[in-house]
Amino acid sequence: GQNIDQPTEMTATEGAIVQINCTYQTSGFNGLFWYQQHAGEAPTFLSYNVLDGLEEKGRFSSFLSRSKGYSYLLLKELQMKDSASYLCAVKDSNYQLIWGAGTKLIIKP
Amino acid sequence: IAGITQAPTSQILAAGRRMTLRCTQDMRHNAMYWYRQDLGLGLRLIHYSNTAGTTGKGEVPDGYSVSRANTDDFPLTLASAVPSQTSVYFCASSDSEGEQFFGPGTRLTVL
Repeated sequence: GQNIDQPTEMTATEGAIVQINCTYQTSGFNGLFWYQQHAGEAPTFLSYNVLDGLEEKGRFSSFLSRSKGYSYLLLKELQMKDSASYLCAVKDSNYQLIWGAGTKLIIKP
Repeated sequence: IAGITQAPTSQILAAGRRMTLRCTQDMRHNAMYWYRQDLGLGLRLIHYSNTAGTTGKGEVPDGYSVSRANTDDFPLTLASAVPSQTSVYFCASSDSEGEQFFGPGTRLTVL
């Protein structure tokens, strides 16, 4: 079966760095996405990785290792507005997105 | 430009009633999707459409139907609602790169 695993909840301090991990087992791989979802709102796109390595975009970076079925999202200089759920999704062999349950990130002052 | 709109924003529905959730996009995306999101679970795909005139079943299609008469609209119909269909429903569309853009969601409660 297809499976995306991420931690249910994480807590971090304002100004700090946090790494949210995602491991996956899917039928085929055509890219990995990270989305941010604030409570009561729709998911919004953060990053896309299809090749191994690190993609950096401002305070957010995303890493992919296809051989390990592993990705992480790195958030630097945390701000209170970063409190949200972070969703990992893999595009499978049918080009459909398989979604993880999301990681709820709580930022404390 | 609105992106993707959904209607209604929220709805309380009696079990057994028929309900259509509306979704419209103005980005001329070929692909559109319907998901449901339940607490503790990831987004689950109900139905999808890769292009106008075609539809496909996702992970949890039972009890739902869709149509795609044109590029912009992708309505989701619950023929006879049941309490287990209480959820938040998101419509999304994507371009050729695969990034999906989401509507604001419809919160549906079936009593």
